[in-house]
Amino acid sequence: GQQLNQSPQSMFIQEGEDVSMNCTSSSIFNTWLWYKQEPGEGPVLLIALYKAGELTSNGRLTAQFGITRKDSFLNISASIPSDVGIYFCAGQSNAGNMLTFGGGTRLMVKP
Amino acid sequence: GAVVSQHPSWVICKSGTSVKIECRSLDFQATTMFWYRQFPKQSLMLMATSNEGSKATYEQGVEKDKFLINHASLTLSTLTVTSAHPEDSSFYICSARQTGVRTGELFFGEGSRLTVL
Repeated sequence: GQQLNQSPQSMFIQEGEDVSMNCTSSSIFNTWLWYKQEPGEGPVLLIALYKAGELTSNGRLTAQFGITRKDSFLNISASIPSDVGIYFCAGQSNAGNMLTFGGGTRLMVKP
Repeated sequence: GAVVSQHPSWVICKSGTSVKIECRSLDFQATTMFWYRQFPKQSLMLMATSNEGSKATYEQGVEKDKFLINHASLTLSTLTVTSAHPEDSSFYICSARQTGVRTGELFFGEGSRLTVL
């Protein structure tokens, strides 16, 4: 089946630093989504990407849909303590199909 | 974004009892809803796809008689964990896709934490 490899698994950074995480797939996806999950909560959608090469920003967050359709990255600039959480990438092969999730990146920010 | 709500947010029950979790799309209609299970420090694992007015589709390894899913309306899906045992303790999360909208975006509920004693 489809698999998503997300890295790094965890990051411990200083407030103000930039963060980068990525996901790679063994197969092509038509949609890439990035979610953030805080403890005891469901994932919240951050950014959705629909076209290969697409670069989309949401405040301090920027995500790109890889040109090969097999990868995506998420950058967070000037991190702040409230960025703490687990970030998941998710890929979808066709509209209507379920999502395949990456393993998550646990982000910890030191004030 | 669209709002999906789950209830209860947490539940503790005795082994052998059944527990029902509700998932509601509050401001949109959802023909399809998805149920996930998440263990501590792990990613979300799809359990089943809930289709309004028809039988749910279960992922391999998920017992349909143990995890009963009912999607009776366009805004409500329920997951019933029957004869719960401690190994069923987990974080259950539902998600929904807005009907008629061409988007891959899924919106998630807040999750329901089940603890079986």
